[in-house]
Amino acid sequence: DTGVSQNPRHKITKRGQNVTFRCDPISEHNRLYWYRQTLGQGPEFLTYFQNEAQLEKSRLLSDRFSAERPKGSFSTLEIQRTEQGDSAMYLCASSLGEINTGELFFGEGSRLTVL
Amino acid sequence: AQSVAQPEDQVNVAEGNPLTVKCTYSVSGNPYLFWYVQYPNRGLQFLLKYITGDNLVKGSYGFEAEFNKSQTSFHLKKPSALVSDSALYFCAVSGDSGGYQKVTFGIGTKLQVIP
Repeated sequence: DTGVSQNPRHKITKRGQNVTFRCDPISEHNRLYWYRQTLGQGPEFLTYFQNEAQLEKSRLLSDRFSAERPKGSFSTLEIQRTEQGDSAMYLCASSLGEINTGELFFGEGSRLTVL
Repeated sequence: AQSVAQPEDQVNVAEGNPLTVKCTYSVSGNPYLFWYVQYPNRGLQFLLKYITGDNLVKGSYGFEAEFNKSQTSFHLKKPSALVSDSALYFCAVSGDSGGYQKVTFGIGTKLQVIP
């Protein structure tokens, strides 16, 4: 399967612990996005990479959140000192088309539950 | 700030009947409009997009959408609903105001097709 892959699919952690999610985009896609989705809401933009450069960060991304995309391939999203409010589905997407007009290809998401 | 409104939490339609899922948007400059679908335990999938040109755009699985600039709407339609169309549908918008314009999603509309 050559779609967007996310791991782990589900993570349960205690408040205060650190968690890391990984996203492997479609191999030829140069753009990678992280979104967060909570129950009853649409996906909310977190951050965007073009190749290895992080070009945009949402104000939703507090200093406890950090994302990287070394070598412009896979990406990681780390959440430090997790809080219960961080419980959500974290979605990764990639794209290749023209900026702003290309469709996003989403992974199945990583669900975080903070106890 | 750009935004999308999906006024209906849920739409119920009988199998074989036409369906419409409503979406209105607000954006600076010209809009780029998208519809995505989310099946249970699956990632979001791209259905169709409007960038420019013909106001009626056709997409996957027999869906189409009509762009109406005066009403700032982009309603999703299908002439004959299938039970398998039951899913969560998200309208999304970005724009051409310069630089990267993140894709902003609505809160989603649950479509229930009744056999």
